[in-house]
Amino acid sequence: EIVMTQSPATLSVSPGERATLSCRASQSVSSNLAWYQQKPGQAPRLLIYGASTRATGIPARFSGSGSGTEFTLTISSLQSEDFAVYCCQQYYNWPLAFGQGTKVEIK
Amino acid sequence: EVQLVESGGGLVQSGGSLRLSCAASGFTFSDYWMSWVRQAPGKGLEWVANIKQDGSEKYYVDSVKGRFTISRDKAKNSLYLQMNSLRAEDTAVYYCARDIVVVSVAIYFDYWGQGTLVTVSS
Repeated sequence: EIVMTQSPATLSVSPGERATLSCRASQSVSSNLAWYQQKPGQAPRLLIYGASTRATGIPARFSGSGSGTEFTLTISSLQSEDFAVYCCQQYYNWPLAFGQGTKVEIK
Repeated sequence: EVQLVESGGGLVQSGGSLRLSCAASGFTFSDYWMSWVRQAPGKGLEWVANIKQDGSEKYYVDSVKGRFTISRDKAKNSLYLQMNSLRAEDTAVYYCARDIVVVSVAIYFDYWGQGTLVTVSS
């Protein structure tokens, strides 16, 4: 079973600054990794799939990189609507596995 | 616009049953695999079950096998989750999600509902 570990648990960032979130897999998942954004009371939103492909309608300030076991989600210039929880998911192997999430909060 | 709207959550005693529903709109429901994904309080997301377009294949996480049943109704554009023998550890927000199947078990989720809360009291 693949375990997904995200760091840090909480990231404090000022609006306009860059945020870098990490996701690590316990074994290689190739590029079979997705990132989601979660806000309280709202539906989770797909941001990135295939480790680096932005989903439909996702702003260019969101970018994903990495392969194998190490992945990064970068938000180049944080907007007010970007303060949320972000989680990663591997879909290389069964069972599907999600990370615990990184909360991006206003500094 | 793709919309997924869950309903049916609530408070139930341990050992009880609930049936969750998910109404889908804005896309051809019968073209997609569909899943239920849950999130326990303070925990990460956990995939629970999914179902093929025609309902002929269904898969479950080990912890719910034999207790939960996923189903769908093409005419009503709806997805269901029948949950029996509920346990305290089933307490979670349950999300309906549309599957994107890359190949075989390689699945991610491109649209989600807002979720419905299931609380199991012991």
